[in-house]
Amino acid sequence: AQSVTQPDIHITVSEGASLELRCNYSYGATPYLFWYVQSPGQGLQLLLKYFSGDTLVQGIKGFEAEFKRSQSSFNLRKPSVHWSDAAEYFCAVGAKSNAGKSTFGDGTTLTVKP
Amino acid sequence: DTEVTQTPKHLVMGMTNKKSLKCEQHMGHRAMYWYKQKAKKPPELMFVYSYEKLSINESVPSRFSPECPNSSLLNLHLHALQPEDSALYLCASSQAAQTTYEQYFGPGTRLTVT
Repeated sequence: AQSVTQPDIHITVSEGASLELRCNYSYGATPYLFWYVQSPGQGLQLLLKYFSGDTLVQGIKGFEAEFKRSQSSFNLRKPSVHWSDAAEYFCAVGAKSNAGKSTFGDGTTLTVKP
Repeated sequence: DTEVTQTPKHLVMGMTNKKSLKCEQHMGHRAMYWYKQKAKKPPELMFVYSYEKLSINESVPSRFSPECPNSSLLNLHLHALQPEDSALYLCASSQAAQTTYEQYFGPGTRLTVT
């Protein structure tokens, strides 16, 4: 069975500071990995995805993530956070033959201080 | 057009009411999903439709009845709900359901059961 752990429930950063959100997954084969963002009362929006190839993936809104197989991690980074980045961030894992199901982590709430 | 639309945005219903949630996508996606999301929690998968056929039912109570009239539309019929069913209901679509592609989410319907 696949699982996802987001160790940080809540992170606070100052505007302009760098950001790293952690995600660890458990899956026997090659995982498909995703980061989604959810603003309050809204649906989820895909930030980026990893299926194969280059382990550093670029996403929207200036986000990037790095797949590290040896550490079973897929951490999300942004060099300079904007106040509008305050939201809930979900890491998710799926697989090539998983009938379309994704397993979501519990999420990390990002607060941005002015 | 990468938009998934959901109606209504908000719904208040009594425990004896019958109501329906609607979802529409025009991306040519062949997989559609219903999720339930409680506050501060990740989305919980309820149903998956693949090529207009129900492929996954995550042991959802029968008071929730999904329907996929065509490849662009997804409905969730509600009947005799309980107060604990109050939540944000999210619809999503993806390219197909044989594998885990990225999902595109609608803004959700905020359901309150009184």
